[in-house]
Amino acid sequence: DGGITQSPKYLFRKEGQNVTLSCEQNLNHDAMYWYRQDPGQGLRLIYYSQIVNDFQKGDIAEGYSVSREKKESFPLTVTSAQKNPTAFYLCASSPGRGEKLFFGSGTQLSVL
Amino acid sequence: GNSVTQMEGPVTLSEEAFLTINCTYTATGYPSLFWYVQYPGEGLQLLLKATKADDKGSNKGFEATYRKETTSFHLEKGSVQVSDSAVYFCALTPPLGTDKLIFGTGTRLQVFP
Repeated sequence: DGGITQSPKYLFRKEGQNVTLSCEQNLNHDAMYWYRQDPGQGLRLIYYSQIVNDFQKGDIAEGYSVSREKKESFPLTVTSAQKNPTAFYLCASSPGRGEKLFFGSGTQLSVL
Repeated sequence: GNSVTQMEGPVTLSEEAFLTINCTYTATGYPSLFWYVQYPGEGLQLLLKATKADDKGSNKGFEATYRKETTSFHLEKGSVQVSDSAVYFCALTPPLGTDKLIFGTGTRLQVFP
């Protein structure tokens, strides 16, 4: 089945620790996105990538980093610089501009 | 800039009631408009979309019409079911620049039997 796989579903971070959220897609989509979802605030764009080896900051990139070494993979690292990382993180991909986004099932990150 | 404004929730309805969730947008030109739905603990799924003025998107009994004159894309359903309980997001893709989606804050719908 084609789709987007996010892992893990739940993740806990200790103070000062970096953690990496995985996002893999087998839809052959060029564009991939990371969104953060907080209660009552909707979705906010962290980073996006429209092609391999290229990515751009979204609206709330501080404290996060990404890479796009392969078309199918777009991992997100939440660094220790992100002081309020507790949120639901959603990865998405799209075949092109104006087309719908396909979302993964999300990762809930919490701070210990 | 580009933005989407949705009515605040939660919207609480009895089964078979009529649903309207309001959505208005601000954008230059003609954006593409979307409604996404999120069931508990899951990612978002596209519910319907419209790409030009007066287009009507429809799916699973839900409808929304792209109204350029009122910059609106209100979501409607004639008879809701308990299984429609979810969070609904209105979104747009700007007509120019990148294809990143801009979301509203979401509206929670609760349907009771």
